[in-house]
Amino acid sequence: AQSVAQPEDQVNVAEGNPLTVKCTYSVSGNPYLFWYVQYPNRGLQFLLKYITGDNLVKGSYGFEAEFNKSQTSFHLKKPSALVSDSALYFCAVRVPMDSSYKLIFGSGTRLLVRP
Amino acid sequence: DTGVSQDPRHKITKRGQNVTFRCDPISEHNRLYWYRQTLGQGPEFLTYFQNEAQLEKSRLLSDRFSAERPKGSFSTLEIQRTEQGDSAMYLCASSWTSGGRHNEQFFGPGTRLTVL
Repeated sequence: AQSVAQPEDQVNVAEGNPLTVKCTYSVSGNPYLFWYVQYPNRGLQFLLKYITGDNLVKGSYGFEAEFNKSQTSFHLKKPSALVSDSALYFCAVRVPMDSSYKLIFGSGTRLLVRP
Repeated sequence: DTGVSQDPRHKITKRGQNVTFRCDPISEHNRLYWYRQTLGQGPEFLTYFQNEAQLEKSRLLSDRFSAERPKGSFSTLEIQRTEQGDSAMYLCASSWTSGGRHNEQFFGPGTRLTVL
Protein backbone atom coordinates (compact mmCIF):
# COMPACT_ATOMS: atom_id res chain seq x y z
CA ALA A 1 0.00 0.00 0.00
CA GLN A 2 1.14 3.53 -0.73
CA SER A 3 1.94 5.46 2.42
CA VAL A 4 3.83 8.33 3.94
CA ALA A 5 5.37 8.34 7.39
CA GLN A 6 6.34 11.31 9.50
CA PRO A 7 8.03 9.68 12.48
CA GLU A 8 8.08 12.72 14.74
CA ASP A 9 4.89 14.19 16.17
CA GLN A 10 6.76 17.31 17.22
CA VAL A 11 10.11 18.92 16.51
CA ASN A 12 11.50 21.57 18.83
CA VAL A 13 14.26 23.92 17.73
CA ALA A 14 15.70 27.23 18.88
CA GLU A 15 15.39 30.25 16.64
CA GLY A 16 18.40 30.62 14.40
CA ASN A 17 19.26 26.93 14.49
CA PRO A 18 18.81 24.60 11.53
CA LEU A 19 15.70 22.47 11.42
CA THR A 20 14.82 19.14 9.88
CA VAL A 21 11.38 17.57 9.60
CA LYS A 22 11.52 13.95 8.52
CA CYS A 23 9.44 12.14 5.94
CA THR A 24 9.69 8.66 4.47
CA TYR A 25 7.47 7.12 1.84
CA SER A 26 6.42 3.78 0.44
CA VAL A 27 5.29 4.07 -3.17
CA SER A 28 5.60 1.89 -6.23
CA GLY A 29 7.60 3.56 -8.94
CA ASN A 30 9.10 7.02 -8.88
CA PRO A 31 7.11 9.20 -6.48
CA TYR A 32 6.08 12.80 -6.72
CA LEU A 33 6.63 14.37 -3.30
CA PHE A 34 5.26 17.50 -1.68
CA TRP A 35 5.51 19.50 1.53
CA TYR A 36 2.65 21.62 2.84
CA VAL A 37 2.39 23.79 5.94
CA GLN A 38 -0.76 24.43 7.97
CA TYR A 39 -1.20 27.40 10.28
CA PRO A 40 -4.05 27.46 12.83
CA ASN A 41 -7.49 27.95 11.28
CA ARG A 42 -6.00 28.07 7.81
CA GLY A 43 -5.75 25.67 4.93
CA LEU A 44 -2.64 23.94 3.74
CA GLN A 45 -0.07 26.08 1.98
CA PHE A 46 2.23 24.58 -0.62
CA LEU A 47 5.94 24.79 0.21
CA LEU A 48 7.75 22.72 -2.40
CA LYS A 49 7.65 19.65 -4.61
CA TYR A 50 9.94 17.05 -6.10
CA ILE A 51 9.00 15.60 -9.45
CA THR A 52 12.29 14.77 -11.11
CA GLY A 53 15.77 16.16 -11.53
CA ASP A 54 17.96 17.66 -8.83
CA ASN A 55 17.51 15.86 -5.52
CA LEU A 56 17.67 19.14 -3.58
CA VAL A 57 14.53 21.16 -4.03
CA LYS A 58 14.15 24.75 -2.89
CA GLY A 59 10.79 26.16 -1.92
CA SER A 60 9.00 29.01 -0.24
CA TYR A 61 10.13 30.86 2.91
CA GLY A 62 13.69 29.52 2.73
CA PHE A 63 12.70 25.86 3.02
CA GLU A 64 14.33 23.09 1.05
CA ALA A 65 13.98 19.33 0.88
CA GLU A 66 16.27 16.53 -0.17
CA PHE A 67 14.99 13.53 -2.08
CA ASN A 68 16.88 10.33 -1.25
CA LYS A 69 15.72 7.41 -3.33
CA SER A 70 17.80 4.75 -1.59
CA GLN A 71 16.43 5.76 1.82
CA THR A 72 12.96 6.56 0.44
CA SER A 73 13.07 9.86 2.27
CA PHE A 74 12.16 13.47 1.57
CA HIS A 75 13.21 15.48 4.62
CA LEU A 76 12.32 19.14 4.94
CA LYS A 77 15.09 21.48 6.01
CA LYS A 78 15.82 25.10 6.75
CA PRO A 79 19.25 26.51 7.63
CA SER A 80 17.98 29.02 10.21
CA ALA A 81 14.59 28.64 11.89
CA LEU A 82 12.26 31.54 12.68
CA VAL A 83 9.64 31.69 15.42
CA SER A 84 7.10 32.31 12.65
CA ASP A 85 7.94 28.88 11.17
CA SER A 86 6.06 27.29 14.06
CA ALA A 87 3.22 25.37 12.43
CA LEU A 88 2.03 21.92 11.38
CA TYR A 89 3.95 20.40 8.46
CA PHE A 90 2.65 17.68 6.17
CA CYS A 91 4.55 15.53 3.73
CA ALA A 92 2.52 14.10 0.85
CA VAL A 93 3.07 11.77 -2.06
CA ARG A 94 1.34 11.36 -5.37
CA VAL A 95 1.44 7.94 -6.95
CA PRO A 96 2.82 8.34 -10.47
CA MET A 97 0.45 5.92 -12.21
CA ASP A 98 -2.65 7.27 -10.49
CA SER A 99 -4.41 9.55 -12.95
CA SER A 100 -6.40 11.23 -10.18
CA TYR A 101 -3.22 12.92 -8.87
CA LYS A 102 -4.69 12.64 -5.38
CA LEU A 103 -2.31 13.24 -2.49
CA ILE A 104 -1.53 10.75 0.26
CA PHE A 105 -0.52 12.64 3.38
CA GLY A 106 1.53 11.79 6.41
CA SER A 107 0.12 12.40 9.87
CA GLY A 108 1.91 15.70 10.26
CA THR A 109 4.75 17.08 12.38
CA ARG A 110 4.29 20.05 14.65
CA LEU A 111 7.29 22.37 14.53
CA LEU A 112 7.86 24.58 17.54
CA VAL A 113 10.56 27.23 17.24
CA ARG A 114 11.37 28.84 20.56
CA PRO A 115 12.82 32.36 20.76
CA ASP B 1 -8.49 37.15 -3.08
CA THR B 2 -8.14 34.65 -5.95
CA GLY B 3 -7.47 31.58 -3.82
CA VAL B 4 -9.74 28.65 -3.01
CA SER B 5 -12.65 29.63 -0.79
CA GLN B 6 -14.95 27.49 1.30
CA ASP B 7 -18.24 28.23 2.99
CA PRO B 8 -19.13 27.99 5.80
CA ARG B 9 -15.92 27.99 7.80
CA HIS B 10 -17.62 26.34 10.75
CA LYS B 11 -20.78 24.26 11.02
CA ILE B 12 -22.33 22.81 14.16
CA THR B 13 -25.21 20.44 13.65
CA LYS B 14 -27.16 17.82 15.49
CA ARG B 15 -26.87 14.15 14.69
CA GLY B 16 -29.24 13.16 11.91
CA GLN B 17 -29.34 16.55 10.22
CA ASN B 18 -28.17 17.19 6.67
CA VAL B 19 -25.37 19.65 5.93
CA THR B 20 -23.97 21.10 2.72
CA PHE B 21 -20.60 22.71 2.15
CA ARG B 22 -19.49 24.82 -0.78
CA CYS B 23 -16.10 25.19 -2.40
CA ASP B 24 -15.11 27.81 -4.95
CA PRO B 25 -11.85 26.81 -6.66
CA ILE B 26 -9.33 29.03 -8.39
CA SER B 27 -11.19 30.04 -11.51
CA GLU B 28 -8.96 28.54 -14.18
CA HIS B 29 -8.45 25.24 -12.37
CA ASN B 30 -10.07 22.21 -13.97
CA ARG B 31 -9.59 19.76 -11.09
CA LEU B 32 -11.28 19.97 -7.72
CA TYR B 33 -10.62 17.68 -4.76
CA TRP B 34 -12.31 17.06 -1.44
CA TYR B 35 -10.33 15.78 1.55
CA ARG B 36 -11.25 15.13 5.16
CA GLN B 37 -8.92 15.83 8.07
CA THR B 38 -9.51 14.57 11.59
CA LEU B 39 -7.63 15.74 14.66
CA GLY B 40 -4.03 14.61 14.69
CA GLN B 41 -4.15 13.18 11.20
CA GLY B 42 -3.25 14.28 7.73
CA PRO B 43 -5.93 14.96 5.14
CA GLU B 44 -7.51 11.92 3.50
CA PHE B 45 -8.81 11.91 -0.06
CA LEU B 46 -12.57 11.74 -0.53
CA THR B 47 -13.32 12.49 -4.16
CA TYR B 48 -12.31 14.58 -7.15
CA PHE B 49 -13.72 16.22 -10.25
CA GLN B 50 -12.25 16.88 -13.65
CA ASN B 51 -14.37 19.80 -14.82
CA GLU B 52 -17.94 18.68 -14.01
CA ALA B 53 -17.25 14.93 -14.01
CA GLN B 54 -16.75 13.14 -10.72
CA LEU B 55 -14.06 10.61 -11.61
CA GLU B 56 -13.17 8.88 -8.37
CA LYS B 57 -14.65 8.35 -4.93
CA SER B 58 -12.82 6.99 -1.91
CA ARG B 59 -14.22 4.16 0.17
CA LEU B 60 -14.40 6.77 2.94
CA LEU B 61 -17.26 8.37 1.03
CA SER B 62 -20.28 6.44 2.24
CA ASP B 63 -23.65 6.65 0.49
CA ARG B 64 -24.61 9.43 2.91
CA PHE B 65 -22.12 11.66 1.15
CA SER B 66 -22.69 13.24 -2.23
CA ALA B 67 -20.65 15.77 -4.14
CA GLU B 68 -21.42 17.78 -7.22
CA ARG B 69 -19.66 20.24 -9.44
CA PRO B 70 -22.26 21.65 -11.81
CA LYS B 71 -20.82 23.44 -14.84
CA GLY B 72 -17.33 22.63 -13.66
CA SER B 73 -17.08 25.64 -11.40
CA PHE B 74 -17.95 25.55 -7.68
CA SER B 75 -18.57 22.28 -5.88
CA THR B 76 -20.85 21.19 -3.07
CA LEU B 77 -20.41 18.36 -0.60
CA GLU B 78 -23.55 17.17 1.15
CA ILE B 79 -23.69 14.86 4.13
CA GLN B 80 -27.09 13.35 4.91
CA ARG B 81 -28.11 12.03 8.32
CA THR B 82 -24.91 13.22 9.95
CA GLU B 83 -23.20 11.07 12.55
CA GLN B 84 -20.76 12.09 15.28
CA GLY B 85 -18.03 10.31 13.35
CA ASP B 86 -18.48 12.82 10.54
CA SER B 87 -16.99 15.55 12.74
CA ALA B 88 -13.86 16.70 10.94
CA MET B 89 -12.32 19.44 8.84
CA TYR B 90 -13.41 19.19 5.21
CA LEU B 91 -10.82 20.59 2.85
CA CYS B 92 -11.24 21.52 -0.77
CA ALA B 93 -8.33 21.85 -3.19
CA SER B 94 -8.00 22.73 -6.85
CA SER B 95 -5.36 22.40 -9.51
CA TRP B 96 -4.79 22.86 -13.21
CA THR B 97 -3.94 19.61 -14.93
CA SER B 98 -3.15 19.35 -18.60
CA GLY B 99 -0.85 17.22 -20.68
CA GLY B 100 0.59 15.38 -17.71
CA ARG B 101 2.02 18.47 -16.04
CA HIS B 102 2.49 17.94 -12.32
CA ASN B 103 0.96 21.03 -10.80
CA GLU B 104 0.43 21.38 -7.09
CA GLN B 105 -2.96 21.51 -5.44
CA PHE B 106 -4.06 24.73 -3.75
CA PHE B 107 -6.14 24.28 -0.63
CA GLY B 108 -8.98 26.29 0.82
CA PRO B 109 -9.25 27.16 4.54
CA GLY B 110 -11.59 24.25 5.21
CA THR B 111 -15.00 23.79 6.79
CA ARG B 112 -14.92 22.49 10.35
CA LEU B 113 -17.94 20.29 11.02
CA THR B 114 -19.02 19.42 14.55
CA VAL B 115 -21.84 16.91 14.96
CA LEU B 116 -23.42 16.95 18.41
